[in-house]
Amino acid sequence: NAGVTQTPKFRILKIGQSMTLQCTQDMNHNYMYWYRQDPGMGLKLIYYSVGAGITDKGEVPNGYNVSRSTTEDFPLRLELAAPSQTSVYFCASSYSQTVPGEQFFGPGTRLTVL
Amino acid sequence: DAKTTQPTSMDCAEGRAANLPCNHSTISGNEYVYWYRQIHSQGPQYIIHGLKNNETNEMASLIITEDRKSSTLILPHATLRDTAVYYCIVSGAGSYQLTFGKGTKLSVIP
Repeated sequence: NAGVTQTPKFRILKIGQSMTLQCTQDMNHNYMYWYRQDPGMGLKLIYYSVGAGITDKGEVPNGYNVSRSTTEDFPLRLELAAPSQTSVYFCASSYSQTVPGEQFFGPGTRLTVL
Repeated sequence: DAKTTQPTSMDCAEGRAANLPCNHSTISGNEYVYWYRQIHSQGPQYIIHGLKNNETNEMASLIITEDRKSSTLILPHATLRDTAVYYCIVSGAGSYQLTFGKGTKLSVIP
């Protein structure tokens, strides 16, 4: 299993541009998550999904959108990029409804908005 | 979810046990204690979790006090590859949100 994969690894955007961060998992996990990590800080939850067609906001959803059309994929869309969205973005997945905190993380996407 | 308190940094000699403490004095009865680590520039890695009992897996042991107000993650024989930031997280059963604080930066020294 490849686990959780993310593309691209790095990206530089100009202010106002848009992009989609891709996330795929091959473990057949129902639950998927997007986090961001600012320099020197812990991770903050942006959005999560409990299954195909179901998404919900996390702690910091403003400026982002998500969709979940399949079990495997959970893309994160940035509209009108701003410098405040410069961060490392991690996608994660989990399988347990009782203990969803056991999450498997991807390698991250490093995004810079200039 | 309950708040956790961890030391900012710790050192450990290679080959010795690394004991990482965490305080979670406001933990409630259905909240789990999770431990993750993040090696520089990589995604966080799940280590272990527990509710009331002590737990052990191939990576580490988790000791939870009887009153559940604190816990200790034990890496029995630390290696240089264990140098990382270790996060202690408390989260309710069925809760999808993990709140990562700043964690403890563990440096394993040759």
